[in-house]
This record gives sequence, structure tokens and C-alpha cells, in this order.
Amino acid sequence: EPEVTQTPSHQVTQMGQEVILRCVPISNHLYFYWYRQILGQKVEFLVSFYNNEISEKSEIFDDQFSVERPDGSNFTLKIRSTKLEDSAMYFCASPGGFVTDTQYFGPGTRLTVL
Amino acid sequence: RKEVEQDPGPFNVPEGATVAFNCTYSNSASQSFFWYRQDCRKEPKLLMSVYSSGNEDGRFTAQLNRASQYISLLIRDSKLSDSATYLCVVPSSSNTGKLIFGQGTTLQVKP
Repeated sequence: EPEVTQTPSHQVTQMGQEVILRCVPISNHLYFYWYRQILGQKVEFLVSFYNNEISEKSEIFDDQFSVERPDGSNFTLKIRSTKLEDSAMYFCASPGGFVTDTQYFGPGTRLTVL
Repeated sequence: RKEVEQDPGPFNVPEGATVAFNCTYSNSASQSFFWYRQDCRKEPKLLMSVYSSGNEDGRFTAQLNRASQYISLLIRDSKLSDSATYLCVVPSSSNTGKLIFGQGTTLQVKP
């Protein structure tokens, strides 16, 4: 199975601080996705990124969130001023092939906002 | 109807049992469907893809009923290692690849 990696595995931060979550998706893909899962709830879509642009974002993805591809391999999710309710698992995903193909998820970053 | 709906369970079954999970979806135009497995505090992992009427992989069988907008997952001869949450996943109609997840059905297989 193709591998998606994420760092850090766990991030603890104070409310109001900025965090950057990193992902190395499957190489040679133009589509990237971020999802989040609050403990005990379902996985929710945050944003899709295609060819260095956001192609779709959810209502959750407000002005506090941003995504970037700072170099050819990394893909980041930044939360500018974290809130308590941002505490969740954040998963990066890459499709295995075409955009409608299956998506492979990274191991996730557990974000805890205190 | 919710976009993707599943019975959350939990389903508690003995080893060796056959268990079936159901999922309904609202987007009648969906062409592909997925079952993912998620262990506690881990990432979703692809279990099966369903593109036509169904798919079978060993002890796992997925069936699709487009008329009723219903997908099922059947697990035969349950193993202790099958204990997990099973997620029904449907691509959205937006063509960006966005996936819509059900709440998940929790399975606990007991010795």
C-alpha cells in the first residue's frame, strides 16, 4: 500500500498559538486532502488541494486555516490561532490514482489544544 | 436522508460468527463506494472498493444496491483481529475527490 507520512504524531499547544502540521503525500500526485476527526466523531473533510490551489474547502476551514505546498514533497496545514475545539486527529490523504480513486491516509497528527 | 448513514453499533459477536453492516447514502449519482477499517486512534485503512454490484475479498463481501442507495459489508468467520470500526465512505458529487464518511460501525469480536 502506498505510504503517506505525517509529522508530528502528537502536538500539544496553548490556545491562541499557531501550529503547523506536516504531510508527505504519495509522490507524483497533484491531489492532496486534509481531514480531521474529533474524538468519538466521524471523519470530516477539511480541504482539497490540486495543482497548488485549494479546489474545495469545508465550512470548518475558515480564515484560521491555510494549506501550502512549500516544496515539491511536503504539504502543510497551518492553524493560525488555535481554539480548544481544534483538538482532534488531523489526517492527510493522497489518492492512489485518479481523483476518484481510493485515498490513502497518513497516520495522523493528534492535536491537543489546552 | 443523511449523506452517509450507518448503524453505529456496537456489534458484539463471538469468533466465527457472520456479521453484516449496512450503510445508506443520499447521492444517487455516486459511482464508487468504499469500506475503510479504523482501529482506535489510528488512520482509516482501505478495506474494499465497490464499483459495480459488489466485491468479494476472502471473508469480506461488499454488496451495492443502487436502487435503494444501500451498501452492505459482510464478514464471515469473524476473527478477534476483525474488532475495529468499519467506515462507509462515499465520494461527494463535487468531483474534487472529497470523501464523505459515515459515523462508522463498531465491531467487537469476542472469544
